[in-house]
Amino acid sequence: QKEVEQNSGPLSVPEGAIASLNCTYSDRGSQSFFWYRQYSGKSPELIMFIYSNGDKEDGRFTAQLNKASQYVSLLIRDSQPSDSATYLCAVKPRYAGGGNKLTFGTGTQLKVEL
Amino acid sequence: DVKVTQSSRYLVKRTGEKVFLECVQDMDHENMFWYRQDPGLGLRLIYFSYDVKMKEKGDIPEGYSVSREKKERFSLILESASTNQTSMYLCASSSPQPFGLNTEAFFGQGTRLTVV
Repeated sequence: QKEVEQNSGPLSVPEGAIASLNCTYSDRGSQSFFWYRQYSGKSPELIMFIYSNGDKEDGRFTAQLNKASQYVSLLIRDSQPSDSATYLCAVKPRYAGGGNKLTFGTGTQLKVEL
Repeated sequence: DVKVTQSSRYLVKRTGEKVFLECVQDMDHENMFWYRQDPGLGLRLIYFSYDVKMKEKGDIPEGYSVSREKKERFSLILESASTNQTSMYLCASSSPQPFGLNTEAFFGQGTRLTVV
C-alpha cells in the first residue's frame, strides 16, 4: 500500500462546477496535510494546508480532513480553466524525522473544460 | 517573498559527466531537500539536509551525492551521469516548525536535466 494515494485522473469538470480531489494516507498518526498545485513544466506551489479535522476554506478552495477515515480532500468551487493543473497531496507523517519530510502522492490531473 | 532558486532551468549533459545542480534559499530555512519527478512516479526524495554539513538519504539516493557547506545552499551531485537520471529535479526548503504545525515545503523552479 502506498503511503499517500491519489487517483491520477484526469478528472474533467466543466467550467463553473465543483472539482473534488481526494487523497488517502496510510500513517494514522500523520499530523499535517498539504495541497500543492503544479502547472505543466512548473514547480509545485502550496495552495492549502490543514491539520485539524473538519473543513478549512480559503477563497474558492476548501480542504477537508477526516483523520478517522484517513483521507483529505480538496474542493474547488466555480472551477476555472486556469485551475487545470496537477494537484499533489502531501502528508507529514507522525515520525517525519529530521527535516520534517513530507510524503507526496503522485498527483491528480484536473482539466476544467469550457 | 520566499525564494528558492535553482541554478539552471534546463541542462543537457553527456553520459559519464559529473553534474552539479545548485539550490539557494533566502528564507534562513534549516531543512533542504532534493527531489526528482518523473511521470507516473510523482516526487521522489533523493537526499535531504536539516543542518549545515548534515545530510540524510532519501528514498532513491543511488547515483547521487549532496553537499551543504552553507545554510542557504544545497547542491546535488551526479557523480557520473547516466541516461536514467534524465528527469525534472526539484529543490525545496522548509523550516523546522513544531509538531503538528505548518511545515510546508517551498520549491524552486526546477531543473530539467537531459542526459544523452
